[in-house]
Amino acid sequence: GAVVSQHPSRVICKSGTSVKIECRSLDFQATTMFWYRQFPKQSLMLMATSNEGSKATYEQGVEKDKFLINHASLTLSTLTVTSAHPEDSSFYICSARDNRVYGYTFGSGTRLTVV
Amino acid sequence: KQEVTQIPAALSVPEGENLVLNCSFTDSAIYNLQWFRQDPGKGLTSLLLIQSSQREQTSGRLNASLDKSSGRSTLYIAASQPGDSATYLCAVISGGATNKLIFGTGTLLAVQP
Repeated sequence: GAVVSQHPSRVICKSGTSVKIECRSLDFQATTMFWYRQFPKQSLMLMATSNEGSKATYEQGVEKDKFLINHASLTLSTLTVTSAHPEDSSFYICSARDNRVYGYTFGSGTRLTVV
Repeated sequence: KQEVTQIPAALSVPEGENLVLNCSFTDSAIYNLQWFRQDPGKGLTSLLLIQSSQREQTSGRLNASLDKSSGRSTLYIAASQPGDSATYLCAVISGGATNKLIFGTGTLLAVQP
């Protein structure tokens, strides 16, 4: 079945630094991937749609210069949180759709803590 | 704008009980609907997917139904077990070019042994 790998699973960084999160589709090609953010005890909020070979589409209220998305290949999308601040601490999850099947597959998530 | 709501927000049941989780959405023009399970601090595991042309899907002790016209879906869990304890999320896949997943608010289920 479709597998999405997300790394790292946990990261702690200092305020002001940048953090890169990777999302890979392991056994299928994904022209579109999605990035979500989840606050404690809340549901997932879609941040942006990552499109292979083109610019990402950001949801309203999400700063594109803050959350840089690169989808350089059909199996890899990256989310870079730039100049991270404590309020960026959250759980970030990516997903992708395998066109061979219906539905979406999710990565295992990244717990980001900014200190 | 599509909004997805889940009721109840939290549910605690004794082991062995059958239960129903509810999901409602405001825009019936959906492509399909997917139910997920999320364990604390983990990613999402897909449980069932119902295409817009389908009425229900079954997998083991799980049965999901879909009524597009009324904007509702239910997830039925038979003979609940402590291992079923998790947060259950429904998500609708809207139509259009991007096919975005819009998530519900989630139901936190606790099955007591």
